[in-house]
Amino acid sequence: DAEITQSPRHKITETGRQVTLACHQTWNHNNMFWYRQDLGHGLRLIHYSYGVQDTNKGEVSDGYSVSRSNTEDLPLTLESAASSQTSVYFCASSESRGVREKLFFGSGTQLSVL
Amino acid sequence: LAKTTQPISMDSYEGQEVNITCSHNNIATNDYITWYQQFPSQGPRFIIQGYKTKVTNEVASLFIPADRKSSTLSLPRVSLSDTAVYYCLVGDGSNTGKLIFGQGTTLQVKP
Repeated sequence: DAEITQSPRHKITETGRQVTLACHQTWNHNNMFWYRQDLGHGLRLIHYSYGVQDTNKGEVSDGYSVSRSNTEDLPLTLESAASSQTSVYFCASSESRGVREKLFFGSGTQLSVL
Repeated sequence: LAKTTQPISMDSYEGQEVNITCSHNNIATNDYITWYQQFPSQGPRFIIQGYKTKVTNEVASLFIPADRKSSTLSLPRVSLSDTAVYYCLVGDGSNTGKLIFGQGTTLQVKP
């Protein structure tokens, strides 16, 4: 069955280190998204991509970057991790782009920055 | 920018019907309304989507009045396993398909 997987499930890192979270989907979806989830804020969009070589900033993109070199993967990089980036990160994908878009989510990565 | 407002939390008991209302006063003409469910330690899961009037599937019903400025998710006869966070989403008004999540409603079902 098609799926979307995130790795690692848990990550502990130190302030200032570069960290990359992986997201891989086998749905063959063009659209991929990264969200972070924090208490009191719900899910907030970090970056998204509508296809290979396409990337766009979301509402909380500062300190994060993404690259899309193929359809299946959208890695999220924290250039210099900060304690404020301690969060649960969710990757999602969708087939079409438009008002009826349905997102399929991964199981999340719990990131702790110490 | 279309924004949704939902109650932060709700309590219910097993076997009851639960209605969660979402306000979206600035919904765009072409926007659909979508609800997601999230269990602890999991990503959100799509449960229902609609444009107007009523939509029903095996999980829930969605009621949308004519002015579309609000919508109500109805969960019939809830069980303990329906304890979750429920998110109401509309588009961001730009027709790009980018979906904005709010804080969601935490539903606690008690025995």
